[in-house]
Amino acid sequence: AQKITQTQPGMFVQEKEAVTLDCTYDTSDPSYGLFWYKQPSSGEMIFLIYQGSYDQQNATEGRYSLNFQKARKSANLVISASQLGDSAMYFCAMREGEGYSSASKIIFGSGTRLSIRP
Amino acid sequence: NAGVTQTPKFQVLKTGQSMTLQCAQDMNHEYMSWYRQDPGMGLRLIHYSVGAGITDQGEVPNGYNVSRSTTEDFPLRLLSAAPSQTSVYFCASTRGRKETQYFGPGTRLLVL
Repeated sequence: AQKITQTQPGMFVQEKEAVTLDCTYDTSDPSYGLFWYKQPSSGEMIFLIYQGSYDQQNATEGRYSLNFQKARKSANLVISASQLGDSAMYFCAMREGEGYSSASKIIFGSGTRLSIRP
Repeated sequence: NAGVTQTPKFQVLKTGQSMTLQCAQDMNHEYMSWYRQDPGMGLRLIHYSVGAGITDQGEVPNGYNVSRSTTEDFPLRLLSAAPSQTSVYFCASTRGRKETQYFGPGTRLLVL
């Protein structure tokens, strides 16, 4: 079974609009962390935001926020006021547990390609 | 600060050849990982390490070996290249489980 599911292979959004990228996850471990990464066409992986399972508040980083709904096991990325430079692939990822290896064992979703229209 | 470096940037191999993809980080991170990214897909974990001398398998370890003799270096060895190993390979390192992973620029591998 997939641990990270991103159901939107591609999205088109008008510049300056807000956009929500969906991510659902599957884990039975009470301790986990969720990440979002951006991959532009140049190929590098850029960290955007992190949410821990015990964090009381939704994470925010500038124009990025994470809509964390624990009971639904969803961790959607919200980008406010989208810009042309936001066009990229976006990956949701998860680490599970508090064990020594959990920092290195990050599982990724299949990604969503976001295209911003001028 | 160089961060995470990977060499080579691009490599073409013939089926059956072996090679080593190099990865180094200068951030003194204990945790390092190797991923492969196939076209249109996310990253899949090949092998990972939690410190010098300690490695373990990820989701797709077959056909690959790793070692970690120093904190800085984490090379990935392809034992006998196959066309199915054509992919982009990313190395990553992190300070800890609540920290982001820092990714290298990737190595694009083509196996003919």
